[in-house]
Amino acid sequence: DGGITQSPKYLFRKEGQNVTLSCEQNLNHDAMYWYRQDPGQGLRLIYYSQIVNDFQKGDIAEGYSVSREKKESFPLTVTSAQKNPTAFYLCASSTNPQGSIPDTQYFGPGTRLTVL
Amino acid sequence: QQPVQSPQAVILREGEDAVINCSSSKALYSVHWYRQKHGEAPVFLMILLKGGEQKGHEKISASFNEKKQQSSLYLTASQLSYSGTYFCGTENAGNNRKLIWGLGTSLAVNP
Repeated sequence: DGGITQSPKYLFRKEGQNVTLSCEQNLNHDAMYWYRQDPGQGLRLIYYSQIVNDFQKGDIAEGYSVSREKKESFPLTVTSAQKNPTAFYLCASSTNPQGSIPDTQYFGPGTRLTVL
Repeated sequence: QQPVQSPQAVILREGEDAVINCSSSKALYSVHWYRQKHGEAPVFLMILLKGGEQKGHEKISASFNEKKQQSSLYLTASQLSYSGTYFCGTENAGNNRKLIWGLGTSLAVNP
């Protein structure tokens, strides 16, 4: 089955620690995205990547880092510099972000991060 | 720049209809509609394109009003499974294909 997987589903970390959230897709999609969702809020873009070995900052990149060494993988590291990291993190992918028609984003199941 | 969704929340009895609006202050290129159940990933419903026709499947359809820079999502004869939060994501011209998301409309369908 094709899809996007995120692990773990729930993650707890102590304040001051870095933590890496996994996102893997086997849809052969070029683009991948990381969003943060807080209660009652919409989706806010952290980072996105349209091609391997390239990525761009989204609207709230401070305190986060990413890498895109393989097409199918786009891990997100939440660093200790992120002031308020407790949130629901969603990874998404899409096929053709530079194409002539708009592109559908497909989401993974999410990781709920809690900082203790 | 964030699209405005209205209403913020809707409560329906099973079988009733609802309309959810998504308005942008900038010219729209496309509007993407998703539904999210609590604690789950958003699920794609449909895309509306500038100059495109009304889309829909079964009892959920949507329209795109280019003049008003607005899209409306129509849910007819609602079912319990329609409950969730509906988000619109808008793509504006010149925004490098990034989607900007509304805050969502919470829909509860009761028996």
